[in-house]
Amino acid sequence: AQTVTQSQPEMSVQEAETVTLSCTYDTSESDYYLFWYKQPPSRQMILVIRQEAYKQQNATENRFSVNFQKAAKSFSLKISDSQLGDAAMYFCAYRSSKRRVYGSSNTGKLIFGQGTTLQVKP
Amino acid sequence: GAVVSQHPSRVICKSGTSVKIECRSLDFQATTMFWYRQFPKQSLMLMATSNEGSKATYEQGVEKDKFLINHASLTLSTLTVTSAHPEDSSFYICSANGQGGYEQYFGPGTRLTVT
Repeated sequence: AQTVTQSQPEMSVQEAETVTLSCTYDTSESDYYLFWYKQPPSRQMILVIRQEAYKQQNATENRFSVNFQKAAKSFSLKISDSQLGDAAMYFCAYRSSKRRVYGSSNTGKLIFGQGTTLQVKP
Repeated sequence: GAVVSQHPSRVICKSGTSVKIECRSLDFQATTMFWYRQFPKQSLMLMATSNEGSKATYEQGVEKDKFLINHASLTLSTLTVTSAHPEDSSFYICSANGQGGYEQYFGPGTRLTVT
């Protein structure tokens, strides 16, 4: 079974500085997807960035980028130029790319890490 | 982008009663929907996966007779908490996969309080 581990329960960063959130995972699959989700105080889950395992290039979305190390099964999130609005709980998530043998669609179940609460200091 | 709604956003019910939470995909057809439970400052715990027109698949430890899930159409799934108890008080979140897509779209969540 796949597992996702976020070993940093809380992190803090000064506004405008850079912070890296860690995530490791365990799987025997070779093809999968990895995600970072943000959950602000409103508790609405927001997709920050995604990475397909078959892609060697690290995904980037504006101030957010990942360091995907497939062999090490590591998927860290870097937030540059941190803003007050980045304060939230961040979840790393894994999704298999395999389709169900007996069905016509992938179940798409996400496996989440424990989460990291990010505080941004003005 | 794809939008998922949940109703109600907050509900308070008395112990022993049942409460239904609706999850709707507003601008896409959701072949698969997921129901999560989240305690404060904790991660999302998957309760069950529902596919339109078939029985839901429950995660280990989730009582299927207590948490009834129905996915009657491609845009609507419902979670009914039967005979609710105070320990069922939690934040419930649904999400949906679009057809052929690998991204999950999340609803805004429902806060259930059982008194």
